Amino acid sequence: ETGVTQTPRHLVMGMTNKKSLKCEQHLGHNAMYWYKQSAKKPLELMFVYSLEERVENNSVPSRFSPECPNSSHLFLHLHTLQPEDSALYLCASSQVLLQGDLHFGNGTRLTVT
Amino acid sequence: AQSVTQPDIHITVSEGASLELRCNYSYGATPYLFWYVQSPGQGLQLLLKYFSGDTLVQGIKGFEAEFKRSQSSFNLRKPSVHWSDAAEYFCAGINDYKLSFGAGTTVTVRA
Repeated sequence: ETGVTQTPRHLVMGMTNKKSLKCEQHLGHNAMYWYKQSAKKPLELMFVYSLEERVENNSVPSRFSPECPNSSHLFLHLHTLQPEDSALYLCASSQVLLQGDLHFGNGTRLTVT
Repeated sequence: AQSVTQPDIHITVSEGASLELRCNYSYGATPYLFWYVQSPGQGLQLLLKYFSGDTLVQGIKGFEAEFKRSQSSFNLRKPSVHWSDAAEYFCAGINDYKLSFGAGTTVTVRA
């Protein structure tokens, strides 16, 4: 039990589809993050939310759209993705923003066909 | 520019042998440093962290790391590796209010 739950675990979508990734944390943390993990590359920070406000957006293409309706839930809405967007998408949370002590979910393995 | 680097992409070690994974940082001030582990099909789990004080840090699962300012290193060690330690290991550091990860080192454990 990681305390951070991501659904779905696997997702295959075409380039014209619209889908959403969901993340839920049961730890009472105030900050949540989306990371992209591609093979043989460092983890890429995509979005950061603190107390439901977005505080970081690392030049992520607009085909990725985050949503944080409350401090326990985080979504990543996907539309018109490209094959190079295929990766493992990890959600994480921390008690304090950018504390470094992150709790990760098991990720969503996304394949864009 | 990457703030932490892991020179070794892949390490193979025999079960019961010792393990050392290298991490170098390039921050000017004393950094906050971390080691995470990722088992297959799972997210990352924090092994240990260094903020200040004692330069030898103890973590979970029998791991420890030593901060060496003179070498700009924060290497991870385990005296005796178990087959369950086969995983990918990530060094990370906070600089300029951002947490940056290294590219990871894959550890294979042979019987």
